[in-house]
Amino acid sequence: DIQMTQSPSSLSASVGDRVTITCRASQSVSSYLNWYQQKLGKAPKLLIHGASNLQSGVPSRFSGSGSGTDFTLTISSLQPEDFTTYYCQQSFSIPFTFGPGTKVDIK
Amino acid sequence: EVQVLESGGDLVEPGGSLRLSCAASEFTFSTYAMSWVRQAPGKGLEWISSTSGSGATTYYADSVKGRFTVSRDNSKNTLYVQMNSLRVEDTAVYYCAKARTTGGSRDGFEFWGQGTLVTVSS
Repeated sequence: DIQMTQSPSSLSASVGDRVTITCRASQSVSSYLNWYQQKLGKAPKLLIHGASNLQSGVPSRFSGSGSGTDFTLTISSLQPEDFTTYYCQQSFSIPFTFGPGTKVDIK
Repeated sequence: EVQVLESGGDLVEPGGSLRLSCAASEFTFSTYAMSWVRQAPGKGLEWISSTSGSGATTYYADSVKGRFTVSRDNSKNTLYVQMNSLRVEDTAVYYCAKARTTGGSRDGFEFWGQGTLVTVSS
């Protein structure tokens, strides 16, 4: 199985900050890497698919990059609604494993 | 608007069985792979199964293989998971999710239901 790690596990930031979350796979997943946002008590929401493709309707302040084993999710200017938890997921091979999540909270 | 809606969550004793349903609407259900993902209380997301649009191919996580069976009735636009031999560690919110494209589950999970809670406890 491909193991996914995320760093940091949590971070504190302010509105307007630029934030970067890193996701690493234990082996290459090519570009089969997706990012989800999950607000408390709600279902996850797809933000980025294929490592760098912005899902329709997602604000352009979100961006993704990387390939192989190392990936990043960047929020260029944090907005109040962005303080929540983010997960990466590899969809290269079964089982489609998720990272443990990164919680972004208010400094 | 695309919708997926889970139901069937309940309190069940260890060793018991439960069937969850996921009703889909506003898309051509039979052409999209569907998946189940669960989330234990206070924990992260765990993929447990994906099935092709036709239902001919289904994959499972090792944690549920042999105990859970996923099926779909494309005439009713509904996805199911039959859960047998339930364990305390199966306690979670169970989400169904639609694949982003007709190309399969590798393209990401685009639409998710609100989830249904399964509690396994004596």
